[in-house]
Amino acid sequence: GQQLNQSPQSMFIQEGEDVSMNCTSSSIFNTWLWYKQDPGEGPVLLIALYKAGELTSNGRLTAQFGITRKDSFLNISASIPSDVGIYFCAGSNTNAGKSTFGDGTTLTVKP
Amino acid sequence: DVKVTQSSRYLVKRTGEKVFLECVQDMDHENMFWYRQDPGLGLRLIYFSYDVKMKEKGDIPEGYSVSREKKERFSLILESASTNQTSMYLCASSSPPDVTYNEQFFGPGTRLTVL
Repeated sequence: GQQLNQSPQSMFIQEGEDVSMNCTSSSIFNTWLWYKQDPGEGPVLLIALYKAGELTSNGRLTAQFGITRKDSFLNISASIPSDVGIYFCAGSNTNAGKSTFGDGTTLTVKP
Repeated sequence: DVKVTQSSRYLVKRTGEKVFLECVQDMDHENMFWYRQDPGLGLRLIYFSYDVKMKEKGDIPEGYSVSREKKERFSLILESASTNQTSMYLCASSSPPDVTYNEQFFGPGTRLTVL
């Protein structure tokens, strides 16, 4: 099946630093989504992108849908302790009900 | 507030037992999913249902079955639990893709330990 390569696998950063993570695919998607999973909870949607080249912000988060439709990145600016968790990218196509998820990036923020 | 609930947060079972994991959503969603989450392996799709009594195998269906008799409820069944099925199990639901951009709403997860 389709596979997503998400990197880095983990990040240890100092509070206040910026964070960048990305996802690449061998297949084209027409929607990219980024989720965050807090410890002990299920993932929750952060940002959805459905247009190639689109750049979307949500507070300190910025995500882009790559122009080739095979990649996406997520940036977090000025990290804070509550940013800790696992971040997942997911790609999907409109006529399919399901998404393909990346393996996740585990973020640790040191105060 | 939209909600996906799972019957247990923690479950301990013995090898060979039949295990039922229940998931209920209150959003009238057509699609429901069962995933397995293991460290470093992300979310792996076990089964997917797009309508009542309809199901489709995901990437790792071996050793699992599912049941969807009502729209709001999707059950994952381990016919004979084995130690390699010790994992976190996540249920999710979504609207049809022509309504939303495939956003999935997740339950809190069930951490299953098979001894």
